[in-house]
Amino acid sequence: KAGVTQTPRYLIKTRGQQVTLSCSPISGHRSVSWYQQTPGQGLQFLFEYFSETQRNKGNFPGRFSGRQFSNSRSEMNVSTLELGDSALYLCASSPVVARGTQYFGPGTRLLVL
Amino acid sequence: DQQVKQNSPSLSVQEGRISILNCDYTNSMFDYFLWYKKYPAEGPTFLISISSIKDKNEDGRFTVFLNKSAKHLSLHIVPSQPGDSAVYFCAASEAKAAGNKLTFGGGTRVLVKP
Repeated sequence: KAGVTQTPRYLIKTRGQQVTLSCSPISGHRSVSWYQQTPGQGLQFLFEYFSETQRNKGNFPGRFSGRQFSNSRSEMNVSTLELGDSALYLCASSPVVARGTQYFGPGTRLLVL
Repeated sequence: DQQVKQNSPSLSVQEGRISILNCDYTNSMFDYFLWYKKYPAEGPTFLISISSIKDKNEDGRFTVFLNKSAKHLSLHIVPSQPGDSAVYFCAASEAKAAGNKLTFGGGTRVLVKP
């Protein structure tokens, strides 16, 4: 089975722009979660989607949003980028409804200049 | 506030010896714990998990111990191998939370010397 894939792998944007990141979960997985990893804050939960509905949301501003499509693929969007948004954005998928093992993709490295 | 803490940022161990990684948590609602390993430029890879109804779970060279009263868990790797050199993250999830939200510790970088 193919693993979680994320595109693009690397991205450079400037302050004020917006960005959309994509995640394709493992086939059959319906839960997709997003995490941000930074040197200062570590790995932090952004949000989770299941069956096209957001089930959980972390403590991030409204500039961070996401969605999930009927094929379980997910996108996250960051609007009005700030320098502090520079991070590794990780997507994880899980086969079960609640509290299952999550399988991570390789991440998208975003640099905001 | 950090609900999951890994107080040792790094650990160096000789090949063949035991690696012990520690993790403390403060949220008493956490009842499911996981360990992930992360290599540079890759996403975290699941290693082992434990439910709060157990105090030990073993999978090959990896054993996780949970001490609920102390709100402490540890990961033992025996024997350590050079390929184990990576950053290890402890993660936890809450009983009341619907879904798969994980709270991570800050990570421990392990170096296994040949």
